[in-house]
Amino acid sequence: AQTVTQSQPEMSVQEAETVTLSCTYDTSENNYYLFWYKQPPSRQMILVIRQEAYKQQNATENRFSVNFQKAAKSFSLKISDSQLGDTAMYFCAFMKLNTGNQFYFGTGTSLTVIP
Amino acid sequence: EAQVTQNPRYLITVTGKKLTVTCSQNMNHEYMSWYRQDPGLGLRQIYYSMNVEVTDKGDVPEGYKVSRKEKRNFPLILESPSPNQTSLYFCASSSASRTQFFGPGTRLTVL
Repeated sequence: AQTVTQSQPEMSVQEAETVTLSCTYDTSENNYYLFWYKQPPSRQMILVIRQEAYKQQNATENRFSVNFQKAAKSFSLKISDSQLGDTAMYFCAFMKLNTGNQFYFGTGTSLTVIP
Repeated sequence: EAQVTQNPRYLITVTGKKLTVTCSQNMNHEYMSWYRQDPGLGLRQIYYSMNVEVTDKGDVPEGYKVSRKEKRNFPLILESPSPNQTSLYFCASSSASRTQFFGPGTRLTVL
């Protein structure tokens, strides 16, 4: 089975600062997708960013970017110019292609943005 | 509006009383999944479906059933709920892009 590890259960950051959330995964596959999802107090799951493993370029979405290190099996999320609305639980997720629709999630990192 | 809906949103029931949580999507997505979320464990996939009449087990399928008779609907069935199935449940759907859209969640308590 695949495993996804988020080693930081809780983090905090000052408003307007930058924070990086870490995620590592274990797989023998070569073709897969990686995702970061945000879960605010409302409990809604919201896609933050996705990365296809075959793409060497790191994905970016406005203030959110990833550092994808395929050889190291690492997929960290960087949040720039942190805002109060970024306070949420963040989940890293892995999906391997060509084997149905199986997803594996990490245990999450609770991020608090401090005013 | 493109969305995934789940009903009910909250449910308190007793051990052994069969229940169904409905999930419906209006995006014509092929793929649908059910997850449970428990504190400290993240989301774990229960079952998934790749199209009508095509379903498969995820990581934690014990005690659950699903069916996919129509493309838009993917109900989750607990035939004999037990207290260890108390959890927050999410349904999700995706197209071939595999980016999942989640429903709002169903908070289930089994007494």
